[in-house]
Amino acid sequence: KNQVEQSPQSLIILEGKNCTLQCNYTVSPFSNLRWYKQDTGRGPVSLTIMTFSENTKSNGRYTATLDADTKQSSLHITASQLSDSASYICVVTPYGAGNNRKLIWGLGTSLAVNP
Amino acid sequence: GAVVSQHPSRVICKSGTSVKIECRSLDFQATTMFWYRQFPKKSLMLMATSNEGSKATYEQGVEKDKFLINHASLTLSTLTVTSAHPEDSSFYICSANLIGTGTYEQYFGPGTRLTVT
Repeated sequence: KNQVEQSPQSLIILEGKNCTLQCNYTVSPFSNLRWYKQDTGRGPVSLTIMTFSENTKSNGRYTATLDADTKQSSLHITASQLSDSASYICVVTPYGAGNNRKLIWGLGTSLAVNP
Repeated sequence: GAVVSQHPSRVICKSGTSVKIECRSLDFQATTMFWYRQFPKKSLMLMATSNEGSKATYEQGVEKDKFLINHASLTLSTLTVTSAHPEDSSFYICSANLIGTGTYEQYFGPGTRLTVT
């Protein structure tokens, strides 16, 4: 069964600190892996999209890595800000999924950045 | 970047009534839109795929007669929750596809909080 598991489930850090969120998946083969940020009561916002052949992608203070051999991805947040408090969701697109209908969603990591 | 809007952002309705939620792609055309619902601390659950000019494709377990979807134009899809019940209370999110460089980029709306009393 295709699954996406994220860890930790929740995380509290101090403003200015770095953190790394983990995503393990069993989806194989896959087309791409995405990280989304979802603020409470809002829709997800895309942070990065990596195809199966990419190893890393950055978007400002967010850097995602992908190891297709071990089926692991991480999202590193540098110099955290209070506005980074949100849920971070890992999503994998199975190969041949077409138009996003068959996305496999993780449950997300809830990040709280405290002053 | 591409923007997707939803209206209303919050709605409270009484049991037995119907409520319509609109999803619009503001600066791009979307032949395909998606409707999700999300329960607290749960991941998004795909309800249906909305295709412009054709019938929506519903996921298993989603009642098409209860959740009516109309994709009347390339920028508008609507979800109507008919004969609403308290268990329909949820966070409904739409998204639209934008075809990019070999990847279907997906843009999400801000969501609609539905409360059925």
